[in-house]
Amino acid sequence: EAQVTQNPRYLITVTGKKLTVTCSQNMNHEYMSWYRQDPGLGLRQIYYSMNVEVTDKGDVPEGYKVSRKEKRNFPLILESPSPNQTSLYFCASSPTPLRLLGSSYEQYFGPGTRLTVT
Amino acid sequence: AQSVSQHNHHVILSEAASLELGCNYSYGGTVNLFWYVQYPGQHLQLLLKYFSGDPLVKGIKGFEAEFIKSKFSFNLRKPSVQWSDTAEYFCAVQSEGTYKYIFGTGTRLKVLA
Repeated sequence: EAQVTQNPRYLITVTGKKLTVTCSQNMNHEYMSWYRQDPGLGLRQIYYSMNVEVTDKGDVPEGYKVSRKEKRNFPLILESPSPNQTSLYFCASSPTPLRLLGSSYEQYFGPGTRLTVT
Repeated sequence: AQSVSQHNHHVILSEAASLELGCNYSYGGTVNLFWYVQYPGQHLQLLLKYFSGDPLVKGIKGFEAEFIKSKFSFNLRKPSVQWSDTAEYFCAVQSEGTYKYIFGTGTRLKVLA
C-alpha cells in the first residue's frame, strides 16, 4: 500500500532531550516536507527536501534539523526541544519537485506525530 | 510575504444545506491551488486541486472549487452537505516554480444531523 509513515505517533518528552521523528514513504517520491499544525495557525512548513541531500527551510525552521540521506526517509530532529515545540507534526511527500510550468503535484500526508514537550 | 486567508474559522450547518468556504491568497504570479480535508483524528487528504485550465474544478465527495484570478480566490463549495463532511478544511497555495506550500489556518465545519 502506498503510504507515508511516521514514528512515533505520540511522544511526551522533557525540555532539552534530543529526539527524532522518522518519516518514510514507499512511493519513490522526490519531494518530502515537514509541517507543524497548531490551533488557529493551520499548517506551517518547517523544512522541505527536493531530493536526496537537498533540503531547504520552510517558514518555521528554528529549533529543527532535517536530513535526507535516502530518498524514502526524511527524519525531523529536535536537538533541544522546548515547550513551544509542542505540536502536531505531519510529514508529506509528492512525486517530484515542481520544475515544469503548469505542473502540479499534490502532497500525500502521513498520519501525524503528536509531540508534547514539558 | 505570501499568505493564505480563510475567513471562516468555524461553520455550523444542518444536513442538506449548501456550503461555501472562502480562500484568498496574496501572490501575483502563477499559483497551484489545493483544498485538503482533515477528518477527526485522521491525516490530511486532497479534496481537489487547480493548476491550469477550467477554473471550476471538481473533487471528491461532491466538492468543487472555483478559481477567480482577479479576486485571488479559490472558494470551496458543496451543494448539499452531509453529517460525514464534518471535518477541518485547509486551503493551500504553491507558487509556480517554488517548492514551498502556504496553508490557510483552516475552517472547522460541523454538520448537524
